[in-house]
Amino acid sequence: KNEVEQSPQNLTAQEGEFITINCSYSVGISALHWLQQHPGGGIVSLFMLSSGKKKHGRLIATINIQEKHSSLHITASHPRDSAVYICAAPGPYNNNDMRFGAGTRLTVKP
Amino acid sequence: SAVISQKPSRDICQRGTSLTIQCQVDSQVTMMFWYRQQPGQSLTLIATANQGSEATYESGFVIDKFPISRPNLTFSTLTVSNMSPEDSSIYLCSANSQGVPYEQYFGPGTRLTVT
Repeated sequence: KNEVEQSPQNLTAQEGEFITINCSYSVGISALHWLQQHPGGGIVSLFMLSSGKKKHGRLIATINIQEKHSSLHITASHPRDSAVYICAAPGPYNNNDMRFGAGTRLTVKP
Repeated sequence: SAVISQKPSRDICQRGTSLTIQCQVDSQVTMMFWYRQQPGQSLTLIATANQGSEATYESGFVIDKFPISRPNLTFSTLTVSNMSPEDSSIYLCSANSQGVPYEQYFGPGTRLTVT
């Protein structure tokens, strides 16, 4: 069983829709990361959070440490948001042992 | 925070050749790592780059195939040796600072295609 699981695997939305991507993890963590991987392969770090909520523009990330769950929300989605979104968490024994989810492929249609 | 850059961002190489990928961090970091993402797969740790000593490789990865250097606290290289089409992947450099708060940083990745 993957220690970091994302859902859905694929998501298609119409421009303007509110998007939610979920991440569940089975390991105790100090922080969780959300990454965005563009169609060309380039990776951008969106958020690192250890509690509560963070917002950057139209992106919002929340985490519930007790429930071992995080969500990434995109408000007013746009075709340029089309990318793979990956959550990642350090392993249980070592912050250096990063575990990655399989990614959620988001396609936003105009 | 730290910003990580990688060179090249992408390359197309012939089988049997080697490619060295550079990773530069704009501030001193404690740990540096190299990951591989094969097509359709999630990221897998290749090795931890140790400053001034040999890298620590994960199971399935060996130094002869993926030699790594880390001459100082801000720079590391990964070489993909004697490439085959199976090496076509995205190679990602990552780093962390183990201070308080702990922070992890990710490079933009290098897309390698081997023909």
